[in-house]
Amino acid sequence: KAGVTQTPRYLIKTRGQQVTLSCSPISGHRSVSWYQQTPGQGLQFLFEYFSETQRNKGNFPGRFSGRQFSNSRSEMNVSTLELGDSALYLCASSLEARGGRNTEAFFGQGTRLTVV
Amino acid sequence: AQSVTQLGSHVSVSEGALVLLRCNYSSSVPPYLFWYVQYPNQGLQLLLKYTTGATLVKGINGFEAEFKKSETSFHLTKPSAHMSDAAEYFCAVSLSGGSNYKLTFGKGTLLTVNP
Repeated sequence: KAGVTQTPRYLIKTRGQQVTLSCSPISGHRSVSWYQQTPGQGLQFLFEYFSETQRNKGNFPGRFSGRQFSNSRSEMNVSTLELGDSALYLCASSLEARGGRNTEAFFGQGTRLTVV
Repeated sequence: AQSVTQLGSHVSVSEGALVLLRCNYSSSVPPYLFWYVQYPNQGLQLLLKYTTGATLVKGINGFEAEFKKSETSFHLTKPSAHMSDAAEYFCAVSLSGGSNYKLTFGKGTLLTVNP
């Protein structure tokens, strides 16, 4: 069974540009979450999508957005990039268990974004 | 709201020694608790989880953790460290119940294993 796939693995962008990151969840998983990892702030929750709907959102500015497609694949977009957006962006997928509870998240290898 | 505190950003042990990584959590409702490991330039791999039931949880690679509600702790242990255990370890909590899924992570503990 294939794991969570994130593309690209590495990305270099210039301040002011925008970027789109992609995540393909494990087959059958309909919940996809995104996290930002930086040395200073650690792992922070960005948002979660389920069946093409954003269910939960972290405390990030509106420059950070996402979407989910009918096949559960997800993209996140960051507009007007700032130097501080340099980070490892991790995607995780989860299987919605009976009763609507997700019991664990499976992570991709991440996309390393560098803003120069 | 929930939060996680990992005591010690860096732990160093000798090969064959006991590994103990500390995690305390705060949660307004019964939590689900997780330990993840991250190797350099990799994503997170689940070591073990506690949801309900038995409070001593066994995971992969010989790791285990015990949920202690009275102490709000979920410390990770391994009886004998291997060189391959050197990595960063993250404790995380999510709220049980409800369908919105969000993990709150601790700051991480970097484990060094000395030969």
